[in-house]
Amino acid sequence: GEDVEQSLFLSVREGDSSVINCTYTDSSSTYLYWYKQEPGAGLQLLTYIFSNMDMKQDQRLTVLLNKKDKHLSLRIADTQTGDSAIYFCAETPFSGGYNKLIFGAGTRLAVHP
Amino acid sequence: DGGITQSPKYLFRKEGQNVTLSCEQNLNHDAMYWYRQDPGQGLRLIYYSQIVNDFQKGDIAEGYSVSREKKESFPLTVTSAQKNPTAFYLCASRGRPSDTQYFGPGTRLTVL
Repeated sequence: GEDVEQSLFLSVREGDSSVINCTYTDSSSTYLYWYKQEPGAGLQLLTYIFSNMDMKQDQRLTVLLNKKDKHLSLRIADTQTGDSAIYFCAETPFSGGYNKLIFGAGTRLAVHP
Repeated sequence: DGGITQSPKYLFRKEGQNVTLSCEQNLNHDAMYWYRQDPGQGLRLIYYSQIVNDFQKGDIAEGYSVSREKKESFPLTVTSAQKNPTAFYLCASRGRPSDTQYFGPGTRLTVL
């Protein structure tokens, strides 16, 4: 079946790195995504990685993909208070004709001084 | 200014009423989606449409209806048959690159 799992909560100190982890079940997914949601707002695309890549870096964001273990992580360097939000991992399974996004429950990141 | 707009931002419904949530996009995307978000949960797919005049049920379509008469617009009606409609509703459209879905700001529906 299709399932995406994330830890629910992460607390970090301002300036430290944050690592948010995600596991997924569908090995046929072509793209995997990270979205950010601030309170009362829609989802903002942060980054995505194609399934034939191991790593993607975009400024303070680094995405690591381990296809063998079906594990995806998002690292935020030099975490700031503005990074406090809920982060969603999502996959596009082949069973949905690549039309569906399957989301995890989201990881709430709290950044404290 | 390109993007996805949803209206209203907040909506209150009495039990037994149908309400319609608006979603408009000017990104020239063919595919559009409606999701529901409940507290502490991920998003669940209600309906999606890949082209005008065509749409498919998602995972939780019961109690909802949609139409797709124009490429830019994909309204969602929450009918009185939906037993627990209080939630945050998000509309998205899908484009290139990477078939990425882009989201609107959402509508919060509350049943009184």
